[in-house]
Amino acid sequence: RKEVEQDPGPFNVPEGATVAFNCTYSNSASQSFFWYRQDCRKEPKLLMSVYSSGNEDGRFTAQLNRASQYISLLIRDSKLSDSATYLCAVILLDTGRRALTFGSGTRLQVQP
Amino acid sequence: GAGVSQTPSNKVTEKGKYVELRCDPISGHTALYWYRQSLGQGPEFLIYFQGTGAADDSGLPNDRFFAVRPEGSVSTLKIQRTERGDSAVYLCASSALAGGSPGELFFGEGSRLTVL
Repeated sequence: RKEVEQDPGPFNVPEGATVAFNCTYSNSASQSFFWYRQDCRKEPKLLMSVYSSGNEDGRFTAQLNRASQYISLLIRDSKLSDSATYLCAVILLDTGRRALTFGSGTRLQVQP
Repeated sequence: GAGVSQTPSNKVTEKGKYVELRCDPISGHTALYWYRQSLGQGPEFLIYFQGTGAADDSGLPNDRFFAVRPEGSVSTLKIQRTERGDSAVYLCASSALAGGSPGELFFGEGSRLTVL
């Protein structure tokens, strides 16, 4: 099992739709969770951090479910400009690795 | 500019050659990371520097890969005896937070390495 797993997609949704992605992680002691966005042939950029209590930034909502070991990203009222790959990133404490471990990404395509 | 700068942006080399990839982080960022990314995959961790020292090099795939950051700023990733499987985009990132959680990573645009 991969340490951080994501459904690769693609998720094809119409403009205005609500779409949600999940990301599962392997270690229950993990901390520091993030969602990054990566446009085609560009570098990843931080979209939002994920806090234990959940957090919202405009149309984007991130949540953490420690019991089931996953984080989620909800995008409401999808825009064409939301089309990108969404990467989750986690600090995996059991590995001793002091850097983010990324999932393979979920591709979103918003269609007119 | 004020972002992370990586050179070269593209490098084509032959199998068995030596390659150096350079990263100039955001000024004042103490933490520097190297990742590599293959098509359809997420960034794969290689090495993390805190200041001049490699705090975690557990992601380096083998002893052909080596990285330095002698003055705590610019870093160079060195790959010896390149193999076709080394072909990927090599991403450098820096962060302002010391130790612990990396917080927000600022990535460079990457160096695309192609080994023929």
